[in-house]
Amino acid sequence: EVQLVESGGGLVQPGGSLRLSCAASGFTFSSHWMHWVRQVPGKGLVWVSRINSDGSTTTYPDSVEGRFTISRDNAKNTLHLQMNSLRVDDTAVYFCARGDPLPPSFYFDYWGRGTLVTVSS
Amino acid sequence: SYVLTQPSSVSAAPGQTARIPCGGNYIGTNSVHWYQQKPGQAPLLVVYDDSDRPSGIPERFSGSNSGNTATLTITRVEAGDEADYYCQVWDRSSDQYVFGTGTKVTVL
Repeated sequence: EVQLVESGGGLVQPGGSLRLSCAASGFTFSSHWMHWVRQVPGKGLVWVSRINSDGSTTTYPDSVEGRFTISRDNAKNTLHLQMNSLRVDDTAVYFCARGDPLPPSFYFDYWGRGTLVTVSS
Repeated sequence: SYVLTQPSSVSAAPGQTARIPCGGNYIGTNSVHWYQQKPGQAPLLVVYDDSDRPSGIPERFSGSNSGNTATLTITRVEAGDEADYYCQVWDRSSDQYVFGTGTKVTVL
């Protein structure tokens, strides 16, 4: 059974940093591109980053480019999201999602339950 | 950037059909994927590549895509289908992933 379990969320002040993690199990982690998607409570889904299967290529939307860094440890089946220079509008539930098998992954076939990040003074 | 537009809400009586449109410029040239999200839960993929269903998704869920509109159709609607539904595409011109605005399906 595919499982994705996020951790690391919490309360942080504006300008601060936070590192999210996603523990993957039930599939060959190193074969899949992986993503982070966020959702402001009560609002829609927004994609925030992608990493290829070996970790050599990452992609971001303009809204987080230069502030967020996605990375992975295939030996530990773990995905990370380092978030720096956090802003109030980064407050959201952050989901880890597995990309479909075909690069560059066109959709998200499994999702974690999410971890809440609150940016507030 | 590419924009996908959905109605904020759709309703249907039990046993009837719910249709959820997703509008986008020439969306018919993209592959469209659909997610169901119930309160407090993670999104669940219900249709991928316009009309394919993942294992375990009932045949009541189907999709179509042509021109400027993709549609998720739920036949024989059940109370358990109440949820938010999102369409999604990969925009190849920008290499970005775009979600629709989301539609809340209410079972009357």
